[in-house]
Amino acid sequence: RKEVEQDPGPFNVPEGATVAFNCTYSNSASQSFFWYRQDCRKEPKLLMSVYSSGNEDGRFTAQLNRASQYISLLIRDSKLSDSATYLCVVWGDYKLSFGAGTTVTVRA
Amino acid sequence: DVKVTQSSRYLVKRTGEKVFLECVQDMDHENMFWYRQDPGLGLRLIYFSYDVKMKEKGDIPEGYSVSREKKERFSLILESASTNQTSMYLCASVEGPGQPTYEQYFGPGTRLTVT
Repeated sequence: RKEVEQDPGPFNVPEGATVAFNCTYSNSASQSFFWYRQDCRKEPKLLMSVYSSGNEDGRFTAQLNRASQYISLLIRDSKLSDSATYLCVVWGDYKLSFGAGTTVTVRA
Repeated sequence: DVKVTQSSRYLVKRTGEKVFLECVQDMDHENMFWYRQDPGLGLRLIYFSYDVKMKEKGDIPEGYSVSREKKERFSLILESASTNQTSMYLCASVEGPGQPTYEQYFGPGTRLTVT
């Protein structure tokens, strides 16, 4: 079983729509959680950290559910520039584990 | 602005060749990492280093070795390249000791093809 699992998508949404997707992790002792964004043929970059109480950064909202071992990312009012692959990243056992990514395509 | 550079964006090598992938960061970060990224598998950690001359195996170290002689430079070595090592290789660095709960800064990646 993979340590971090994500729905690969793709999620195809129109501009202005809301899109949300989850990621599950297997290690219940995981301590820190992140969403990274990766554009086509580019390197991953940190989008946001995920805190226990949930947190927002502009149009992006991240939630953590420790009991069910999943984190979520919600994008409101989608922009064309939000088209990317979103990587779920979990820190535990002294290492980062990356999901394979969820691809989001926002269409005009 | 943190900068992580990798020696090549694209590389084509033959089976059995020795391959060197170089990574340099300019922010005096202590921790450096080598990953490979394959479709459907995500990033997988090959090796990491938290100090000069220190190295630790990641999840998939077989067929690879590393060298960290200077703080800013972390090299990945494929002693005898094989076709199953065709992949995108990403280097990353992060400040701080111990747990890398800070942002990892990635290089642009090297797409290696072994024929």
